[in-house]
Amino acid sequence: EPEVTQTPSHQVTQMGQEVILRCVPISNHLYFYWYRQILGQKVEFLVSFYNNEISEKSEIFDDQFSVERPDGSNFTLKIRSTKLEDSAMYFCASSGLTGQGRSEAFFGQGTRLTVV
Amino acid sequence: ILNVEQSPQSLHVQEGDSTNFTCSFPSSNFYALHWYRWETAKSPEALFVMTLNGDEKKKGRISATLNTKEGYSYLYIKGSQPEDSATYLCASCRNQGGKLIFGQGTELSVKP
Repeated sequence: EPEVTQTPSHQVTQMGQEVILRCVPISNHLYFYWYRQILGQKVEFLVSFYNNEISEKSEIFDDQFSVERPDGSNFTLKIRSTKLEDSAMYFCASSGLTGQGRSEAFFGQGTRLTVV
Repeated sequence: ILNVEQSPQSLHVQEGDSTNFTCSFPSSNFYALHWYRWETAKSPEALFVMTLNGDEKKKGRISATLNTKEGYSYLYIKGSQPEDSATYLCASCRNQGGKLIFGQGTELSVKP
């Protein structure tokens, strides 16, 4: 069964360092997303990506964040200069199209980012 | 309603009990309502995607209904089992390809 894969599963980084979280969405999907969940809080939307550009982003997704789909298979989230409050579980998701419109989102297993 | 709200926040039931929880969402510019099941240490898994007012969907002992005019959806679990223990998330979507806005989830614990 196709699945969304994320690497690494856990990343520890020093405050101020850059991190890149990697995702391989399901191959025939068209829409890609990053969400995050800070411990004990709701799942929060960060950004959606369609047709090689950002289609929507949240207030959280400021200039420190960027996304790329460099090679048609990987979908990356870069945090330029990490802050302590960026510590969270980051989930990548992708969705395709059905006859009724967009399908459900399929989520990766997440990357736990710890900023120290 | 401007946000997606779920109630109750947590629920503890005995094996065999039937249970239901609520998701409230903005009824304006509605496109789809998603339900996900999220087990600890796993990723959210889609249960249902519902688009039409009056939709009812069923998967085994789990079913869901949708009222887009008043902006709510119910998730029902018949004869809860310990393996149903998980957080159940709903998410509203306003357009094709748009973001999913998640509720805070209902944490279900089923005791044998």
